[in-house]
Amino acid sequence: AQTVTQSQPEMSVQEAETVTLSCTYDTSESDYYLFWYKQPPSRQMILVIRQEAYKQQNATENRFSVNFQKAAKSFSLKISDSQLGDAAMYFCAYKGRGNEKLTFGTGTRLTIIP
Amino acid sequence: ETGVTQTPRHLVMGMTNKKSLKCEQHLGHNAMYWYKQSAKKPLELMFVYNFKEQTENNSVPSRFSPECPNSSHLFLHLHTLQPEDSALYLCASSPQWADFTDTQYFGPGTRLTVL
Repeated sequence: AQTVTQSQPEMSVQEAETVTLSCTYDTSESDYYLFWYKQPPSRQMILVIRQEAYKQQNATENRFSVNFQKAAKSFSLKISDSQLGDAAMYFCAYKGRGNEKLTFGTGTRLTIIP
Repeated sequence: ETGVTQTPRHLVMGMTNKKSLKCEQHLGHNAMYWYKQSAKKPLELMFVYNFKEQTENNSVPSRFSPECPNSSHLFLHLHTLQPEDSALYLCASSPQWADFTDTQYFGPGTRLTVL
């Protein structure tokens, strides 16, 4: 069974600085998607970024980028120029071909220090 | 953030009450999901509906009863719940189940407290 591990329950970063959130996963599949979701205090879960395993190029969405290391089964999220609005719970998730369920990690709570 | 809406946002109920959670999606999707989110635990998938048909039931107790009258609406009927059922219940939708490339979109959730 696939598992997703987020080893940092809480992180904090100074406003305008860069922070990296870690995620590792375990799978025997070769084709899958990885996701980072953000859940602000208002609770709506929002997709931040996603990466297909077959794409070697790391996905980027404005200030958000990922470091996808397929061999190491690592999928970290880098947030550049952190802003107060980035404060949220961040969830890493996995979806494999042939198993349509999303498998989530336990989340990392990110605090932005003004 | 208005693509998937949920009502009510907060619900307090006794163990003998019957209540319902409602989810509506305005994205033209055909798959809808119920998740349970508890503190310090990964999201737990409860039910999946695809084109109004239930395709997944992850061993959810019968005190939770889903209903999907059409592809835009999803309900979760609650009866004789236990205090451990207190959690945030999230609804999500996607273009369709079993499409590997699809992304799920979530609603804001209903915070349920069972007394």
